[in-house]
Amino acid sequence: EPEVTQTPSHQVTQMGQEVILRCVPISNHLYFYWYRQILGQKVEFLVSFYNNEISEKSEIFDDQFSVERPDGSNFTLKIRSTKLEDSAMYFCASIGGAGQPQHFGDGTRLSIL
Amino acid sequence: QKEVEQDPGPLSVPEGAIVSLNCTYSNSAFQYFMWYRQYSRKGPELLMYTYSSGNKEDGRFTAQVDKSSKYISLFIRDSQPSDSATYLCAMSPGGSNYKLTFGKGTLLTVNP
Repeated sequence: EPEVTQTPSHQVTQMGQEVILRCVPISNHLYFYWYRQILGQKVEFLVSFYNNEISEKSEIFDDQFSVERPDGSNFTLKIRSTKLEDSAMYFCASIGGAGQPQHFGDGTRLSIL
Repeated sequence: QKEVEQDPGPLSVPEGAIVSLNCTYSNSAFQYFMWYRQYSRKGPELLMYTYSSGNKEDGRFTAQVDKSSKYISLFIRDSQPSDSATYLCAMSPGGSNYKLTFGKGTLLTVNP
């Protein structure tokens, strides 16, 4: 069964450094999402991406965050200058079309020191 | 009032028991309702997906949606130790907006 893949599985970074989290959504999917889950808290929406542009973003998704789909397969989340509070699991998800459910990757655990 | 509320548990049941998990929500715009299972350090895995009100059954799992009460449920029959995980409810308005709003998750342990 097709799946969403995310790399790396664990990223450790010094505060203030830039990180790029990578996702390969399911082939032919059209809508892409990033969520995060701080330890012990609920999964929170960050940003949605469709037709090569951001369709919606949350309050969390400030100027330090950006997303890109550099080619036909990858979908990336960049955090420009990481903070301690950015430590979380980051999940990528994709949808094949309108009205279909989201399928998630296994996430990247981001640890900021 | 939180947009989606879910009792975090933990919930511990013996093998073979019927498990009932539920969520309430406040946003009447939600049209799509999902249940995900999440194992430790893994991503949410889709279990059930329903649109609007009604019931949906898939094997040992039954999802119910009551939009008039803003209440959704997941029932697990003949629970197995492998069902031990955190169960997340999630919902979205649909239309042009499919972003998910999650409950906090219920930690379930099925004891052999």
